[in-house]
This record gives sequence, C-alpha cells and structure tokens, in this order.
Amino acid sequence: GAVVSQHPSWVICKSGTSVKIECRSLDFQATTMFWYRQFPKQSLMLMATSNEGSKATYEQGVEKDKFLINHASLTLSTLTVTSAHPEDSSFYICSARTSYNEQFFGPGTRLTVL
Amino acid sequence: AQSVTQLGSHVSVSEGALVLLRCNYSSSVPPYLFWYVQYPNQGLQLLLKYTTGATLVKGINGFEAEFKKSETSFHLTKPSAHMSDAAEYFCAVSDMFSGGYNKLIFGAGTRLAVHP
Repeated sequence: GAVVSQHPSWVICKSGTSVKIECRSLDFQATTMFWYRQFPKQSLMLMATSNEGSKATYEQGVEKDKFLINHASLTLSTLTVTSAHPEDSSFYICSARTSYNEQFFGPGTRLTVL
Repeated sequence: AQSVTQLGSHVSVSEGALVLLRCNYSSSVPPYLFWYVQYPNQGLQLLLKYTTGATLVKGINGFEAEFKKSETSFHLTKPSAHMSDAAEYFCAVSDMFSGGYNKLIFGAGTRLAVHP
C-alpha cells in the first residue's frame, strides 16, 4: 500500500509557542489530505480537509487561525498549531487520499504542551 | 448526515476464540464502510472495506465483515483470535457524494483484548 509519513513523531513544547507538523505522501501524489485529532482512548475527529493549492476546509468548531494548514505541493501538507496551550496536547494524525479514493494514514504525531 | 455506532468499547476474548466487533451505521446515501486497526501510538491501518458488490468482505489478518443493508450493520469477525490482534478497532463510514472528498466518519472504537 501507499506510504504516508509524519514528522515529528512526537514533540514537546512550551505554552505559547507554535509547532509545525508535516505530512508527506512518499510514493504517490495526494491532492487531498486530511488532518485528524485523537484524544486518549477516544476516536479520531476530523479537523480539516487540505487541498493542494487551495485553502483548507475546516470542520465546525475547529479554529482556522489556531490550526493553520498549508498544502503547498502534491506530497506535503503541514499543520501548524499556533500559540499552543496544554489543551492542544493530543495525537494528530494525517491521511492522504490516492487517485483511486483510498485514504492512507500517517503514523501520527504526539504533541505535548507544557 | 452519517454516523457510526460501535457497540462495546471493550471486548475481551480468549486466544483461539471467535472475535466479533459490532458496527452499525447511519447514512442517507449508499455507504462506503471501513474497518481500521490501531496499535498503541500508531496511525490507522486498513483492515477491509466495502464499497459495492459482494457484501461479505475479506481483509487482512484473517478478518472479514459482512455488509447487511437491512440491519445497517457491518460487523467485523475473525474465527480464531491471536494475541497479536489485541488493538483498537475503528469502524468508519464515508460516501462519494460529499464533493468527492471521501470524508471518513469514525465510530468511538472498540478495544480488543486477547488473553491466553
């Protein structure tokens, strides 16, 4: 199957700083990528849909100024958590959609905000 | 709107026993249905999916699921559990009509424990 990577796999930052998470499709081009958030022992909640070359579409209740998404190329989408606070601590997972409409998930990034 | 309900947040079985994880969905359009597995601190891996055609779908690691439209269900089964099956399992629904974006709506998940 297709491979999706995320970097970093984990990050610890101080409150008030910004953190960037990268999602890459390694062996295919993805015009659409998705960003999910997962709290401990809970399901995945879709945050936003990232489309190459256009603005991301955010789900209801997700602050677009807080979670900046940039999909600058067909293989890379980034999620920047701005002015992070402890409540932003979570497991962030991306997925990339192939040309035959199947999603492949990255391994996730664990963010801890102190 | 689409939704997914997974009955049982925790399921425990003996090694070698039948695994049955329940999933019911709600969808106003023909659904696409998925089962994913997640190991601790990892992303999701697709076990199997139903789009069209045969309602009994076979996936990886010996898992299979049957789409029953009349019951709006897509239960996941495996005849004989293995210790390595212990993980979190998510059922998800999607459709191909929401702008073609293939948004996945996930259930709450079921944690499968396998004991000797």
